Amino acid sequence: DAGITQSPRHKVTETGTPVTLRCHQTENHRYMYWYRQDPGHGLRLIHYSYGVKDTDKGEVSDGYSVSRSKTEDFLLTLESATSSQTSVYFCASGGPNTGELFFGEGSRLTVL
Amino acid sequence: TQLLEQSPQFLSIQEGENLTVYCNSSSVFSSLQWYRQEPGEGPVLLVTVVTGGEVKKLKRLTFQFGDARKDSSLHITAAQPGDTGLYLCAGARQTDSWGKFQFGAGTQVVVTP
Repeated sequence: DAGITQSPRHKVTETGTPVTLRCHQTENHRYMYWYRQDPGHGLRLIHYSYGVKDTDKGEVSDGYSVSRSKTEDFLLTLESATSSQTSVYFCASGGPNTGELFFGEGSRLTVL
Repeated sequence: TQLLEQSPQFLSIQEGENLTVYCNSSSVFSSLQWYRQEPGEGPVLLVTVVTGGEVKKLKRLTFQFGDARKDSSLHITAAQPGDTGLYLCAGARQTDSWGKFQFGAGTQVVVTP
């Protein structure tokens, strides 16, 4: 296991409130990712990071921001949550040396 | 429209039957990966294919990368209930940076005894 933990694992919030999801990895992987998973869509890339303070947008980045101040931590922020952001969010890490992505167990977010 | 199109979306078969899952794109990929995901867990890597035309075998699973590196297939021989899961293909386009991995929508496979 790559030692990736996500918090919180479950969260219920109201529309318009800010939400931050945290991802922590212990493998010193260079790359970290945030995906969301919805029925019929598989995993869709929100943002990813290729190093400390280096991030790039994915295919569904609107409404989300990220920060990476340390190699091991990657934060996903919803500035003002909407019901369309109800989803299961997965964090992953990896790099060219591993050639694969290691995933956390997911964070289920419900926006009422 | 997703970059990687998987078909079928759902497959239900009896134990012992064979099945094939497809992953197609109009883009060229540096490599393609296949993951399997079980309920309540994150995806886990099964294989990476890198060279056009490459065939890799993992016990009863056979993976093929298309000659043009735009598509891939996963074939399971004599499926077992333990093969049940969501199968996802993923890759980074040749024109993207290495790390920009995008996934298909997945194929849900159910194998009944």
